[in-house]
Amino acid sequence: SYELTQPPSVSVSPGQTARIPCSGDAFPKQYGYWYQQKPGQAPVLVIYKDSERLSGIPERFSGSSSGTTVTLTVSGVQAEDEADYYCQSADSSGTVVFGGGTKLTVL
Amino acid sequence: QVQLVQSGAEVKKPGASVKVSCKASEYTFTGYYLHWVRQAPGQGLEWMGWINPNGGGTNYAQKFQGRVTMTRDTSINTAYMELSRLKSDDTAVYYCSRDPYSAFPLTFYGMDVWGQGTTVTVSS
Repeated sequence: SYELTQPPSVSVSPGQTARIPCSGDAFPKQYGYWYQQKPGQAPVLVIYKDSERLSGIPERFSGSSSGTTVTLTVSGVQAEDEADYYCQSADSSGTVVFGGGTKLTVL
Repeated sequence: QVQLVQSGAEVKKPGASVKVSCKASEYTFTGYYLHWVRQAPGQGLEWMGWINPNGGGTNYAQKFQGRVTMTRDTSINTAYMELSRLKSDDTAVYYCSRDPYSAFPLTFYGMDVWGQGTTVTVSS
């Protein structure tokens, strides 16, 4: 099995840029996906296939990949972006793994 | 609209089994894989496995092999996840989610629709 590693927390002031990295041996061979989860709610897919933004997701959310790390970037962070963010990948047999999650705090 | 509706909350005793259902509507049920993901209180997301409704093929996380069974009934667009030999640390919210895919090679496109979650509490 493989693991995905994320920082437990990231803090930024409103209007700044937040970057959340996710590292693992699955990358770059496999795609990375990002989910946003607010308290008491189901997760929401934000980014798929490393950098594709799901329809309806604000343009300030973007994804990128470099080597063994995928990164979620939130540009011009707003108070409503405060949430937990999880990266995810899958190997060639379809076995899925999630990162441990990152709590984004808007100061 | 496209949605997954899960069955209601369950309270079980240690050693019992639980079966959670996930009913799909407004999309082609057999056109998307269905994942089961759980989240213990205050913890992160944990993938349990998936079922391909088109044929019934499954892939379970190693941690749950021998204890989890995922099935589906295409006549009513419903998937099921049964977890046996429950322990207190199985207390969690259980989600189903659908995932578009390409078959050869198997490539996912992300879990784009999620159920509302089913709370399972295991307590004596």
